[in-house]
Formats: sequence, structure tokens, C-alpha cells
Amino acid sequence: ETGVTQTPRHLVMGMTNKKSLKCEQHLGHNAMYWYKQSAKKPLELMFVYNFKEQTENNSVPSRFSPECPNSSHLFLHLHTLQPEDSALYLCASSQDGGSGTGELFFGEGSRLTVL
Amino acid sequence: DAKTTQPPSMDCAEGRAANLPCNHSTISGNEYVYWYRQIHSQGPQYIIHGLKNNETNEMASLIITEDRKSSTLILPHATLRDTAVYYCIAFIVNDYKLSFGAGTTVTVRA
Repeated sequence: ETGVTQTPRHLVMGMTNKKSLKCEQHLGHNAMYWYKQSAKKPLELMFVYNFKEQTENNSVPSRFSPECPNSSHLFLHLHTLQPEDSALYLCASSQDGGSGTGELFFGEGSRLTVL
Repeated sequence: DAKTTQPPSMDCAEGRAANLPCNHSTISGNEYVYWYRQIHSQGPQYIIHGLKNNETNEMASLIITEDRKSSTLILPHATLRDTAVYYCIAFIVNDYKLSFGAGTTVTVRA
């Protein structure tokens, strides 16, 4: 139990579907992150939220839409994805206090397959 | 962030110390060295970090050279559960972009 919970753990969707990934952290942290890990590739930072405000969008296509309603929850809304978007999507959180820290706590990830 | 260079893979024997090298010759004065590991199909796990001084915690020790151009992560008594990909990252505090490279795949053998 890492304190960061991701659901669902596995998701299969068609290219025309709309689905969402959910992340919840129970650590009282202020910053939350989405990373993407494709097969045989390094983790790629997608989005960063600090105190519910988006501070980083790493040139992510608009078919990925993040939402951070509060400091404990982070969503990734998925719409008209492509097969190459199949990957492990990892959520992380950190205790920030307004400055970035490199100590991130990761969830177990959501394995997404796009057919 | 400074680029780090790690060997792609290494083996070590169970019960022995595992020494994982990392080169970061272009590291700047405000960049810390962070280490993470990722066990297969799990999220990455923070291990340790340091700036100049050597650091030790319950998981590992971090040795940083005096010129800060390289570092070594030491797992004192490797177990089979330490088999993972280990990432060395140069990170600027106050910057949210923790960037992962390819890491070193460490296999601990019985």
C-alpha cells in the first residue's frame, strides 16, 4: 500500500470510447502527477498539478484531459484514443508546500489497452 | 536537468552488496541526485537522494564523488526482491519535472 490508489488497474477500450482513470492519494500531499510508460520506453511526464492548479502540460495531445478537483484526487479523461496510447499510466503525489520536491509516491498504475 | 548515464544492466549475487554507478558530468550546483527503482509492473519507488554529502537510509547508501560528476547507489545486502530497474535522476528542487531515463536493470541471482 503506497498511499496512492489508482483505478481501474486494467482498462480495455475502443478508439471511439470515453473513459476515465482515477487517482486518489491518502498522504495529505499537495502535488499530483500523471506519467505514461509505454513498452520499452522511459516514463514520460504528462501533467503536474500543484494545489489543484495545473503547472505542467508536457505537450500532451488533447485526447487526454486531466482534472484535479481537489488535492487528493486526480483524473485522466480519455477520448478517441489511438492504439499507440496503450501504456501503463502512473499517478504520483508529493508533499510540496509550493516548491517542487523529487520525492514522489507512485500508485500501481492503470494498464490501458486501446483496440 | 542534467543528463545521467547508467549501464543498461547488471547482475549481482544474493547477499552481496550491489554497487550501481551513475554518471552525471554536467550536473549543476542546484541539482540533486535522486534514485528510484521500479519492480516489474509496479510504480516507481523512491530510494534516496543527495546533493553533496553521502547519504544512508534503511534501503541504501548513496556515495557522491567530490566533484559531483558521478555517484554510486549501494544496496548493502541484495535480495531477490531487489531485482528491478534502478533510475538515477538529476533533479532541480523547485522544478516539478522529475525525468526518468532508461535506468539499469538489476538482476539479483541466488
